[in-house]
Formats: sequence, structure tokens, C-alpha cells
Amino acid sequence: DTAVSQTPKYLVTQMGNDKSIKCEQNLGHDTMYWYKQDSKKFLKIMFSYNNKELIINETVPNRFSPKSPDKAHLNLHINSLELGDSAVYFCASSQAENQPQHFGDGTRLSIL
Amino acid sequence: GQSLEQPSEVTAVEGAIVQINCTYQTSGFYGLSWYQQHDGGAPTFLSYNALDGLEETGRFSSFLSRSDSYGYLLLQELQMKDSASYFCAVSRNRGNTGKLIFGQGTTLQVKP
Repeated sequence: DTAVSQTPKYLVTQMGNDKSIKCEQNLGHDTMYWYKQDSKKFLKIMFSYNNKELIINETVPNRFSPKSPDKAHLNLHINSLELGDSAVYFCASSQAENQPQHFGDGTRLSIL
Repeated sequence: GQSLEQPSEVTAVEGAIVQINCTYQTSGFYGLSWYQQHDGGAPTFLSYNALDGLEETGRFSSFLSRSDSYGYLLLQELQMKDSASYFCAVSRNRGNTGKLIFGQGTTLQVKP
């Protein structure tokens, strides 16, 4: 009965590889987000989708491509991984704008 | 530019009261949220203020002064389990659909 679930929880891979992180929410929320949290715990929005449509796209390298097949899912694909991509990536959802956001447990990405 | 300032660390003893301040400078303001994050865990929503004044939820209260661009989170009757990082986050005007700008976080250590 997990509200926001992301897989995998840990991802260790080599520089240059391509990887995906999946996120699903069963809260019936309309809006989903991807955040990146760096080693200093700074949490920064990357993307936001509302009903499968992209509404926020921060200054993120185009190696990062989100995809929302339906409003309950928001996946993140990353091409040509770089050392600086090492971080914890959180998926979140909310009922509507300015409503509390519910976060998944995070995906810890380590680039070797 | 946009910035949020909060203390990096606060230490208090069990049973005490602690206040974590947050000042912000953003182009557009809709509300101030507070999130708690335990080490290795996900951020979880604590409270939200859109209007000036105090919001109380159990042992936690949050205050906002829009004219001073200032808010705080008040934690009463501290318990060991309150040791965590606390983030203030600003929601900008409607039209930024759910985008939260987070502060750097305050690490609260509760001692016996």
C-alpha cells in the first residue's frame, strides 16, 4: 500500500551508461515531480508533470528525459551518465499545485 | 534571484522547544512549507502557511510573516525521533504549478 514507490532503490553503474528510474503513485494525484538531492542535501526540482503533460522543466541537461505514460507513472531516463549525476533522486506527487507533496523513498545513484 | 536561508544546524535536549527560522527572497510568493527528512529517508510534509500567522499541528507549529519574508517552525516537547533535517520551501505564484524551492535544510540533533 505504498503511496509513492520508486525503483530501483540503489543504482550503481559506470560512467557513460544509460539508466532508467521508475516511479508510480497510487494516491490518485494529478501532479508528479522529479527532484535531485545532492551530497549536501540540497533538494532541487528537475521536472513536473500534470496529467501526463510536462509543466516544469528546470535547467537540466537534455541527457535527462522524463516520460509519463499515464498520470500515475513518471519515469526518468538518463543517457550517458556522468560522475556529477551521483545523487539521490526523489519522485513526488501532489493532488494539485500548492498541495503537500508526497515523496518516494529515493533512488541512490552512484556513478563509478 | 531566489534564495532561502535557514540555520545549518540546531541542537537541543529532549523535552525542550526549538525554533527553526527561514527567511526567503523569491520573485513571487504563494506559501511556505516545511518538510522533515530523516537520514536515508524521504522528505515528509509537516505544514504549510499561505497567510500570516501561526498554524498548529500537534507538537509542531509553523509561522509566517509575508511582510518580513520570514517564517519559522516550532517544535515543542522534543523527542529523540525528532532528530532529522528540516527544510523550508517556498511555493511561487500560481502558474508555477507546484514548484517548490527548498532551503538548504537545518539538521536538528536532539540529545537526551
